Amino acid sequence: QVQLVQSGAEVKKPGSSVKVSCKASGGTFGSYTINWVRQAPGQGLEWMGRFIPVLEMANYAQKFRGRVTITADKSTSTAYMELSSLRSEDTAVYYCARAGVGYMDVWGKGTTVTVSS
Amino acid sequence: DIQMTQSPSSLSASVGDRVTITCRASQGISNSLAWHQQKPGKAPNLLLYAASSLESGVPSRFSGSGSGTDYTLTISSLQPEDFATYYCQQYYSTPWTFGQGTKVEIK
Repeated sequence: QVQLVQSGAEVKKPGSSVKVSCKASGGTFGSYTINWVRQAPGQGLEWMGRFIPVLEMANYAQKFRGRVTITADKSTSTAYMELSSLRSEDTAVYYCARAGVGYMDVWGKGTTVTVSS
Repeated sequence: DIQMTQSPSSLSASVGDRVTITCRASQGISNSLAWHQQKPGKAPNLLLYAASSLESGVPSRFSGSGSGTDYTLTISSLQPEDFATYYCQQYYSTPWTFGQGTKVEIK
């Protein structure tokens, strides 16, 4: 059974960037997409974008376009999400999640990103 | 973007109760709907997909129904481990969107 192992917590200054990794353990991405979903403290779930390995391309939610870059390295079965121009509102738990048709069936445990001066 | 609206936003129930949560999409989504359960401090966990298909390993007390724009998650007999927040998610068209969540609390 594939597990998604995410990198550790980050503390960043406003205006900087953060890059979070997500490694598929016990398998590969295969034909699944890797999605990134974030959750601000006490808030709901928000989809940021996804990487489609078979097309080697990403697509993003309009809200994050221009600030987020999602990539993947098939050789290591690792996906990355980089968010730039960080502001305090970006403080959240960032999850990666595998999806086939579109529903997310395997989730990483989450990476806490704190943006603070 | 497709807006997903859940109701209620929270509810209190007792062990053994039947619980129903509804999710309405701003346009038809052709059963492209999933339900996720999230416990405090944990990642979400997939319960159902395609509106009514139970994910492997999920107890049969969870069921889903609906069509078009209106969908329902039912827990037939609430268990202590079911106290959590539940989210619907549409995957009919990107951006995938979630409902705001329904928190199920102990009465």
